[in-house]
Amino acid sequence: NAGVMQNPRHLVRRRGQEARLRCSPMKGHSHVYWYRQLPEEGLKFMVYLQKENIIDESGMPKERFSAEFPKEGPSILRIQQVVRGDSAAYFCASSPEQGSVPDTQYFGPGTRLTVL
Amino acid sequence: KNQVEQSPQSLIILEGKNCTLQCNYTVSPFSNLRWYKQDTGRGPVSLTIMTFSENTKSNGRYTATLDADTKQSSLHITASQLSDSASYICVVTDSWGKLQFGAGTQVVVTP
Repeated sequence: NAGVMQNPRHLVRRRGQEARLRCSPMKGHSHVYWYRQLPEEGLKFMVYLQKENIIDESGMPKERFSAEFPKEGPSILRIQQVVRGDSAAYFCASSPEQGSVPDTQYFGPGTRLTVL
Repeated sequence: KNQVEQSPQSLIILEGKNCTLQCNYTVSPFSNLRWYKQDTGRGPVSLTIMTFSENTKSNGRYTATLDADTKQSSLHITASQLSDSASYICVVTDSWGKLQFGAGTQVVVTP
């Protein structure tokens, strides 16, 4: 059973370009979470999605960032018109269901975005 | 203000020695507390999880404690190995399932 898959592992973009980060949850998991980790800081929650639904996007910047989790295929975190401050590691986690105690989120290896 | 505070920020220990990491939190209402290990360039991996009624949990050489009254947790690493070099993250989940992450303690084990 493969774990959470993220690709690419490393992504370099110039200012103003678009970045697309992909996350395939573990088999059987229908809940996906995106986190951002800036250098020397802890992980910060961005968005929580279920298939075709955004459940909680309270951690998403209001502009340039969007996320989706279509019925088929991976979850996508999209950053438009990237700026240097977007440089960070972006982690995806998945869980089988929300609300179960204790909830268990399994993390992917992350995508390291560098904006030149 | 971060609802999960970890100390120390970083730690260097000799191989074979023990160490203890601290986590204080203000997250409320509390559901559970988990310690993650994050190797450089990797995603976090869960080590232990404790709910309100549990005050200690072990996973091999890792032992976590929880005092829900004082809202403090510790992670004790026994007989450290080089492979223990990593960031250790305290994560507290509230009753609505939202995770709050500490900034982590960077542990370096030297030969």
